[in-house]
Amino acid sequence: DVKVTQSSRYLVKRTGEKVFLECVQDMDHENMFWYRQDPGLGLRLIYFSYDVKMKEKGDIPEGYSVSREKKERFSLILESASTNQTSMYLCASRPGTGGYNQPQHFGDGTRLSIL
Amino acid sequence: GESVGLHLPTLSVQEGDNSIINCAYSNSASDYFIWYKQESGKGPQFIIDIRSNMDKRQGQRVTVLLNKTVKHLSLQIAATQPGDSAVYFCAGSKGSYIPTFGRGTSLIVHP
Repeated sequence: DVKVTQSSRYLVKRTGEKVFLECVQDMDHENMFWYRQDPGLGLRLIYFSYDVKMKEKGDIPEGYSVSREKKERFSLILESASTNQTSMYLCASRPGTGGYNQPQHFGDGTRLSIL
Repeated sequence: GESVGLHLPTLSVQEGDNSIINCAYSNSASDYFIWYKQESGKGPQFIIDIRSNMDKRQGQRVTVLLNKTVKHLSLQIAATQPGDSAVYFCAGSKGSYIPTFGRGTSLIVHP
């Protein structure tokens, strides 16, 4: 089974801090994604990466950056945390598609609170 | 772009009944659809997928139906159990593009 592991289940940070959320997958997937999940808004894509050192903006990239130095690891960075970034953050991975699409595999999320 | 929506935010059923969760999509070019289940405190878990060259696909106790004419898909769960209580998401995409997720239907199973 695919395992997507997010480093923290719960995280509390202060406004203005630089916050790192880490995600590791163990199935050699090329594609990795960061979403945030808020009540009533569903899953919104922040950033994704097709492969190592590649990144693309999603629907809501403002206030975030990402890093993909190794294939198995995709980091989400909040440059200067703000209270409106309090949310559930979900990481996902997917094989390189090469034709037909394939489902994403998700981690269990990091619930981030910014005080 | 794609817009995906679920018809009902909440669905309540009795244990043992069949459940049907509906989803509509806007892009007629979408050719791949996925259903996910998200239990409390966990990430979304893949249930079943279907490609646009199919109308129906069955898994273990689940069936997905795709109606391309009206751009609608449904997830049917047979003999619903308390362990099926969760939020269910549909997602649609075209080719290898990033899927667009609906907002989720919360399935509540009463014993």
